[in-house]
Amino acid sequence: GEDVEQSLFLSVREGDSSVINCTYTDSSSTYLYWYKQEPGAGLQLLTYIFSNMDMKQDQRLTVLLNKKDKHLSLRIADTQTGDSAIYFCAESIEDNFNKFYFGSGTKLNVKP
Amino acid sequence: ETGVTQSPTHLIKTRGQQVTLRCSSQSGHNTVSWYQQALGQGPQFIFQYYREEENGRGNFPPRFSGLQFPNYSSELNVNALELDDSALYLCASSAQGMNTEAFFGQGTRLTVV
Repeated sequence: GEDVEQSLFLSVREGDSSVINCTYTDSSSTYLYWYKQEPGAGLQLLTYIFSNMDMKQDQRLTVLLNKKDKHLSLRIADTQTGDSAIYFCAESIEDNFNKFYFGSGTKLNVKP
Repeated sequence: ETGVTQSPTHLIKTRGQQVTLRCSSQSGHNTVSWYQQALGQGPQFIFQYYREEENGRGNFPPRFSGLQFPNYSSELNVNALELDDSALYLCASSAQGMNTEAFFGQGTRLTVV
């Protein structure tokens, strides 16, 4: 089955880098995603990576994918208090690119 | 703003009742997926509709049903509500095919008492 796991909490100081990790089990994953959820809100797509890529950078965000270890990470450079939220890792597999399997989310707390 | 709107934003129902949640998809999108997000959990896939037909279903009982209309908006119906159905229900709008982004609505918070 499709199992996506994340650590539950991460606390960093403003200005530091944050690294949020995720592991998944399905080797037929096609795309891997990072979503952000603020309190009381829906999901905001931050970035995604195709499974044949190792890295993707988008402004302050860097995604690293280790397909051998089925490990995905999201690095946020110069973390700000506005980055405090829950971050979800998700995968889609080749049978349905628009069907996502989500992790339980990592709550990022940014201290001023 | 994603262009995906859900209604209502909140509602409270009694156990055993039925509920209908609505989602309007983003312009140009023909696929709507529904997710249930229990408190403290990640979203779980309920089902997906593509061009008015069900196109995949997660591990949810038949009392969870849906519809998609010709304008690609969608409804989620839940019959015989149970306390464990209390959750945030999210819909995601997308276009079928590779390398397409899915945009989520703000969700409907359902509380069953």
